[in-house]
Amino acid sequence: GENVEQHPSTLSVQEGDSAVIKCTYSDSASNYFPWYKQELGKRPQLIIDIRSNVGEKKDQRIAVTLNKTAKHFSLHITETQPEDSAVYFCAALPPGTYKYIFGTGTRLKVLA
Amino acid sequence: EPEVTQTPSHQVTQMGQEVILRCVPISNHLYFYWYRQILGQKVEFLVSFYNNEISEKSEIFDDQFSVERPDGSNFTLKIRSTKLEDSAMYFCASSQKMYYEQYFGPGTRLTVT
Repeated sequence: GENVEQHPSTLSVQEGDSAVIKCTYSDSASNYFPWYKQELGKRPQLIIDIRSNVGEKKDQRIAVTLNKTAKHFSLHITETQPEDSAVYFCAALPPGTYKYIFGTGTRLKVLA
Repeated sequence: EPEVTQTPSHQVTQMGQEVILRCVPISNHLYFYWYRQILGQKVEFLVSFYNNEISEKSEIFDDQFSVERPDGSNFTLKIRSTKLEDSAMYFCASSQKMYYEQYFGPGTRLTVT
């Protein structure tokens, strides 16, 4: 079945710098890749997603890139702010299934 | 903006007891899900539910678990005889369509003692 690996597990950046989190997936037929942000004690919130027919998607300071050949996708946050500090989870949705397969999470700390 | 809601936010129960976790999905959503997250680990899929029946379940979702949509708004997860290893955060999620974004509730932290 699908397996999603996520790196790094923790990431510290200075405020204003960029942060990049990478995920690899094993099932080449997976076709939907959401990213969730989870602040301490709160629900995972969808921040951006990408489908397999698109290579890149941007929403203000956040972007996601997808490389189907290499089976990896990345979250890019530019001009980081302290409120970006959270745990970020990537996920993949294999075809013919309802279940997201999540990565292990990245704890991002933005240092003021 | 509509949100998924869950009650209770924290449930403490003794091993062997039954618990029911409640969720109210977003009103025009048709697909419902339960996930769990053991402390410090990844979020894991338990079950999906559509058209009043289970559409998919994971190997975690054994005979101790059941789901129900008792009325037009609630979606419940029942654990019949809780074990220590059931201690986790349980998230409900819903989506409007299959293969669309899933919106998560705030979670119920279940502690089994």
